[in-house]
This record gives sequence, structure tokens and C-alpha cells, in this order.
Amino acid sequence: SQELEQSPQSLIVQEGKNLTINCTSSKTLYGLYWYKQKYGEGLIFLMMLQKGGEEKSHEKITAKLDEKKQQSSLHITASQPSHAGIYLCGADYNYGGSQGNLIFGKGTKLSVKP
Amino acid sequence: DSGVTQTPKHLITATGQRVTLRCSPRSGDLSVYWYQQSLDQGLQFLIQYYNGEERAKGNILERFSAQQFPDLHSELNLSSLELGDSALYFCASSSGTLYGYTFGSGTRLTVV
Repeated sequence: SQELEQSPQSLIVQEGKNLTINCTSSKTLYGLYWYKQKYGEGLIFLMMLQKGGEEKSHEKITAKLDEKKQQSSLHITASQPSHAGIYLCGADYNYGGSQGNLIFGKGTKLSVKP
Repeated sequence: DSGVTQTPKHLITATGQRVTLRCSPRSGDLSVYWYQQSLDQGLQFLIQYYNGEERAKGNILERFSAQQFPDLHSELNLSSLELGDSALYFCASSSGTLYGYTFGSGTRLTVV
């Protein structure tokens, strides 16, 4: 089974609506990274969370890491067509910031209808 | 421009052939990671190098190998290519988990 599960797999929302994407880990996270990818292109870094209960915002995107550090959510407020793409969460399971690799979820494909 | 440079952007080759993908990390980053992204498997970690030495291995096939050179650029070698090796190959670099991982724009490999 997958270590990192993302839900939903895909999402279609009307422009202006809010939405949430979830990322659930089967074990404790030492870091959780959110990336956005346009189809067939590179990954754009959005946010990194490390502490349980941490919350970060950038423009209309907010990400949280729950207290137990096993789940993160990404919330987009008043969605716009520019938010469309694939959202990927990446987990750092390496204690102590050892520059270990990230394990990724399968992604959530977001479409925003004008 | 993320600062991580991957070449070539596209590559089309025949089954059984060998190709080399190249990655130049962001200035100052000592770690380089290679990932493979396919529709069915998602983004899979292949291998990590840190300052010239192999640090971690993921789901990398024996037909694949990588190295990191003294100038810190890295190459991923794929040999005896099969149709199923068609995918996007990404390189990422990092100077520490506190600073995140920066991805290149990828190399799209098509095996025909």
C-alpha cells in the first residue's frame, strides 16, 4: 500500500469556490512539502511544513500539518483558473534533516472552471 | 527558472538503446536526486547523491545507473531501454531539508 495517500485524485471546481486537498501518511512525518505541477512540466515548490500544528499561507493557498504529523491539508480560497494543475505532497521521513529523499503521493488534479 | 538545469528536454530513442540524462544542480546545493514520473506509478524516487557519493537508492532498476561529478553535476544513465521506461525524469537538488528541494523541468524520454 502507498505510504502517502492524497485525496481526492481529481477535483473540478467553479472559479471562486474554495477547495481542500488532503495528504495522509501511514507514519510520522518529519517534513511535508507541497508542490504544484502543470501537466508535463516541472514541480513548483509551494510550502514546507515541519512542526505539528504548523500552518503556512501564501497568497490564497494555506497548508496545515496536524498535531500528530501524519496528515496535511492544502486549502485554496476563491479559486482561479491559474490554480489549475496537479498538486503533489512529498513526505520527508528522515529524522534530523539529513537531506534524505522525498516520497510523493500520486497527486490531485485540479481543474477550475471559469 | 528554478536554478536546476536538465538536458535534454526531450529524447526519443529505440528499445535496447542507451541514453544519458544530465542535471546541473542549483548553485551551492550538494545533494542531487533523480525521480521518474509515469502515469501509472506517479513520482518515484530513483537515487540520491551527496557531494559525489551515493546516499540513497529507491526503485532504481539495475539497467539504470547514476553518478555525480566533482563539479556536482549528475548524470543518469539508462541502458537496454524498454517501452516501459518511457517517462518524465526529474532531477532535484537540495542544500538541506530546511531549505526545500528544487526540481528541474525534467527530461521527457520516449522509447519506441
